Amino acid sequence: EIVLTQSPGTLSLSPGERATLSCRASQSVSSTYLAWYQQRPGQAPRLLIYGASSRATGIPDRFSGSGSGTDFTLTISRLESEDFAVYYCQQYGSSQGYTFGQGTKLEIK
Amino acid sequence: EVQLVESGGGLVKPGGSLRLSCAASGFTFSSNSMNWVRQAPGKGLEWVSSISSSSSYIYYADSVKGRFTISRDNAKNSLYLQMNSLRAEDTAVYYCTRGGAIPYWGQGTLVTVSS
Repeated sequence: EIVLTQSPGTLSLSPGERATLSCRASQSVSSTYLAWYQQRPGQAPRLLIYGASSRATGIPDRFSGSGSGTDFTLTISRLESEDFAVYYCQQYGSSQGYTFGQGTKLEIK
Repeated sequence: EVQLVESGGGLVKPGGSLRLSCAASGFTFSSNSMNWVRQAPGKGLEWVSSISSSSSYIYYADSVKGRFTISRDNAKNSLYLQMNSLRAEDTAVYYCTRGGAIPYWGQGTLVTVSS
């Protein structure tokens, strides 16, 4: 089973700052099947990035994804108030099941 | 527009059963693998089960193996999850998700297991 470890667990930043979230896999993951989600309280996860670096429909260009192999990054270039939420990475390329990271909570400093 | 709409959640006693459904539209359902993912209150996301497009391949998380059964009806564009021997720790919002290069998720249905 591929284990995804996200860091940091909580990130405290101010609006306008840059956020860098990390997702590390226990073994190599196909970039084609690495996604990032945003989840606000009481809402379903919202797809931000798929294929490690492709933005989903309607996602602002301040969100970007990068990485390959075992190390992936989600960057939010300039934080806006609505960006403070929990973020999850997910690998969905294993034929035997998906796995998710434990989440990074992005909170207002 | 891709739409996934879950139904069938509710309150059930420990040891009871429930069947979740997911109605799919806006894409060729029969060409895509499908999945169930759940999220317990205040917790992270947990993959539950996957089924290939033709139902040839089925996988379960260890936590539900032997109790849950995933199935699909391509003629009805529908995905199902039969949940038996339910436990308190199965309490969660259950999401239907589409497989493939671009994942899509439904809004979820809440299952509460409590006496």
